[in-house]
Amino acid sequence: DAKTTQPNSMESNEEEPVHLPCNHSTISGTDYIHWYRQLPSQGPEYVIHGLTSNVNNRMASLAIAEDRKSSTLILHRATLRDAAVYYCILRPLYNFNKFYFGSGTKLNVKP
Amino acid sequence: GAGVSQSPRYKVAKRGQDVALRCDPISGHVSLFWYQQALGQGPEFLTYFQNEAQLDKSGLPSDRFFAERPEGSVSTLKIQRTQQEDSAVYLCASSLRQGASQPQHFGDGTRLSIL
Repeated sequence: DAKTTQPNSMESNEEEPVHLPCNHSTISGTDYIHWYRQLPSQGPEYVIHGLTSNVNNRMASLAIAEDRKSSTLILHRATLRDAAVYYCILRPLYNFNKFYFGSGTKLNVKP
Repeated sequence: GAGVSQSPRYKVAKRGQDVALRCDPISGHVSLFWYQQALGQGPEFLTYFQNEAQLDKSGLPSDRFFAERPEGSVSTLKIQRTQQEDSAVYLCASSLRQGASQPQHFGDGTRLSIL
């Protein structure tokens, strides 16, 4: 099972961009890269996903390295509501029913 | 529209009791997943349903854990003869279709405490 490596914690200032890194050196060519976040006492919330190309949505951007061995979740202007644990997850194309969350990155946003 | 709903939100049981946790997925969602989340850790996969068929139960920790989704909508996770190590948050998620690109929509979980 392909695993991901993320920093345990990061800190950001409110209204500044945040770049959350994820390493996945053993990724296979058919693994999708998903990001979820989890606020305290809530279930995880889908943020974004991609396969090879960079992706943008209303919540964030996902930058995928050319060799796909790493990716970065970009929050363009952090708010206090973005303080959460962010999980980078690989989802295999042919065994898609299993998500491996890992420990994630706890993002603290300072006012 | 309504999201994934889980009940009860909190459950306290004595060791040895049986418990049942309910999940109401988003209407029309084909896929349903159960996860277990220990304190301070990420969720861990328990089992997966496509409609009423349980296609993967490899994450269930023991034969005391049982899940069902008889009509392809509501699902119940049952734990028999509960043990203290069963204390955790149990999360349910659903997705519209099957597939690696499908986002999962999570409920807020049931926090189970075994005394």
